[in-house]
Amino acid sequence: DAKTTQPNSMESNEEEPVHLPCNHSTISGTDYIHWYRQLPSQGPEYVIHGLTSNVNNRMASLAIAEDRKSSTLILHRATLRDAAVYYCIISPHPAGGTSYGKLTFGQGTILTVHP
Amino acid sequence: DTGVSQDPRHKITKRGQNVTFRCDPISEHNRLYWYRQTLGQGPEFLTYFQNEAQLEKSRLLSDRFSAERPKGSFSTLEIQRTEQGDSAMYLCASSLAARQREAPLHNYGYTFGSGTRLTVV
Repeated sequence: DAKTTQPNSMESNEEEPVHLPCNHSTISGTDYIHWYRQLPSQGPEYVIHGLTSNVNNRMASLAIAEDRKSSTLILHRATLRDAAVYYCIISPHPAGGTSYGKLTFGQGTILTVHP
Repeated sequence: DTGVSQDPRHKITKRGQNVTFRCDPISEHNRLYWYRQTLGQGPEFLTYFQNEAQLEKSRLLSDRFSAERPKGSFSTLEIQRTEQGDSAMYLCASSLAARQREAPLHNYGYTFGSGTRLTVV
């Protein structure tokens, strides 16, 4: 799996937007960009994933650079419940063949949200 | 469906004892994964199943670890002769696989359970 680089930690104020960056310069053409987050004392939670185009869902937006070597997870209005560790993961689509099953997690970015 | 269930939530055991954890995935998911997570680290992949077949095992999974998914539904992870280094959170996740491609893209995300925290004393 392609390696990712994320800041160790970031801080935000409540109700402000948060932009969480991820560098993945060795991404291959068929790799997807996945984001998961882990709240304290819980298992990771799927946030969003994409391939080339920007993606939006009810939780967040994913902005993917044109060369696909970096991406940014955007939380439009941070809340205290968004305080978590955010993981950026590069992997073939999880619905691919039998060898594509696993996601490899790094250390992620610890997001702190201030009231 | 209430998501991925793991049992027990916490387990304290003495070194040298055997422990077994159970995971019940989302019923329509045919892939099931086990991960281990220590404090301050991201989850580390251990093994995964598609239906009842165990398709990949990490080198982290020593001979003392064994996982099964006998009927392609729930799974168990057993650790024999536990060591203090086995203390960690053990996470289970499930997902859809290739043959269910007709599902919307976001449905392929992993759903994790809340984990079993193992403490070996």
